[in-house]
Amino acid sequence: AQSVTQPDIHITVSEGASLELRCNYSYGATPYLFWYVQSPGQGLQLLLKYFSGDTLVQGIKGFEAEFKRSQSSFNLRKPSVHWSDAAEYFCAVGVNNNDMRFGAGTRLTVKP
Amino acid sequence: NAGVTQTPKFQVLKTGQSMTLQCAQDMNHNSMYWYRQDPGMGLRLIYYSASEGTTDKGEVPNGYNVSRLNKREFSLRLESAAPSQTSVYFCASRGGGLETQYFGPGTRLLVL
Repeated sequence: AQSVTQPDIHITVSEGASLELRCNYSYGATPYLFWYVQSPGQGLQLLLKYFSGDTLVQGIKGFEAEFKRSQSSFNLRKPSVHWSDAAEYFCAVGVNNNDMRFGAGTRLTVKP
Repeated sequence: NAGVTQTPKFQVLKTGQSMTLQCAQDMNHNSMYWYRQDPGMGLRLIYYSASEGTTDKGEVPNGYNVSRLNKREFSLRLESAAPSQTSVYFCASRGGGLETQYFGPGTRLLVL
C-alpha cells in the first residue's frame, strides 16, 4: 500500500542554521511528490512539487527538495532558516490524479 | 479571487446531531476534495469529486456524505456526529491533470 513516512515529529533549529526534513515513501511506480507547509490555524500551502525531470526542485521561500529514487526519499532543505519558517511541514505522494497520501507531519520550531 | 473558502470556521456538536460543512472555490477547478486532519496522522481523504456530478470515496468515508452542488461548491455532511469525528476538516480543489491542490482554511469540529 502507498504510504508516506516523516520520521521526525518535531525538529528544533536555531535561526540561521540549515534545515533538512526527511520524507520517505512507499509506492510502486514513479510518484508525484509534494511538500506543503501549514502555519498555525491555517490551511496548507504548497512549497514545491516533483513530477519528473530534474531531481532537485526549487520551491517558494527558499526551500528545495531532492528526489532520490534509490532511497525512496524526498527530503526538504533550506540553507538558512528564518523565524517565520516555524510551522508544520507535510510531505505527500500523489497516487493518482485524485488520491494524495500525506505524511503525519514534522513540526518545526525555530530558536532565536 | 478568494480561492477556497469554508464555512463555518468552528463548530461544536453534540453526539447524534447533524451538520453540513460548506466549501466553495472560485478558480473554476474541476476536482474538489474533503480531508480530515488529526494529530499525528496527517491529512486523510474522506471523499472527492473529480468533476461536477461525480463523487467517490477516499480513505476514510464512513460516517460522511458529500454533495457536489455545482462546479463551485462541494459540501460534506455528518448525519449523526460521533466524538471520533472531532477533527479539523479541510476542503481542497484542483484544476486538470497533475496540478496542485489548493486548500481552504479549515473547519474545526468538536463533537461532545
